[in-house]
Amino acid sequence: EVQLVQSGTEVKKPGESLKISCEGSEYSFTSYFIGWVRQMPGKGLEWMGIISPGSSDIRYSPSFQGQVTISADESISTAYLQWDSLKASDTAMYYCARRPTASSRWALWGQGTLVTVSS
Amino acid sequence: QSALTQPASVSGSPGQPITISCTGTSRDVGGYNYVSWYQQHPGKAPKLIIYDVSNRPSGVSNRFSGSKSGNTASLTISGLQAEDEADYYCSSYTTTSTSLFGGGTKLTVL
Repeated sequence: EVQLVQSGTEVKKPGESLKISCEGSEYSFTSYFIGWVRQMPGKGLEWMGIISPGSSDIRYSPSFQGQVTISADESISTAYLQWDSLKASDTAMYYCARRPTASSRWALWGQGTLVTVSS
Repeated sequence: QSALTQPASVSGSPGQPITISCTGTSRDVGGYNYVSWYQQHPGKAPKLIIYDVSNRPSGVSNRFSGSKSGNTASLTISGLQAEDEADYYCSSYTTTSTSLFGGGTKLTVL
């Protein structure tokens, strides 16, 4: 089955680092863009950034530039979202999604990773 | 980069049509035919229902349709059904090669 499978729930303390993952299966991982989306509790969706096929280009939304790092390892069909120093305000559900080139067809989504940051 | 503007809530009775608007600028909605719409039920991941302004993915009901005029895109749901009650988000590609969501619209089926 074609799917994006995300890593599991995380509970961290402020100041800790974290790397969550999004693994694509049963499709050519390098043929699609991967995007990351934040949804804070009770709030709307926010695009964080997008990584192009082959990781040749990574674009961050202005609100997230410098706050997170997006990367990918094509050899294992996995994209990552990373924080160096978490804050309580990073508490949210994080989704990954994929789209083909020259389209807004973000048709395949991961199940979400819940990140809770609390002292 | 502000979120695209959507009404916070809309409502309608079963069988009626409703339209949700999504207003941006020439740097996003008005500049590209890369507007998409998502349905999100509580506790679930978003589901794509319209892409590239007016295209429906396979498996999505033809009661959902999309359009765009200038800097405003619209999602129309004809013949409302109880299961359509959800949050709806628009999204657009932008001149910075990123994407932008609307603030979301809560649809209530009366």
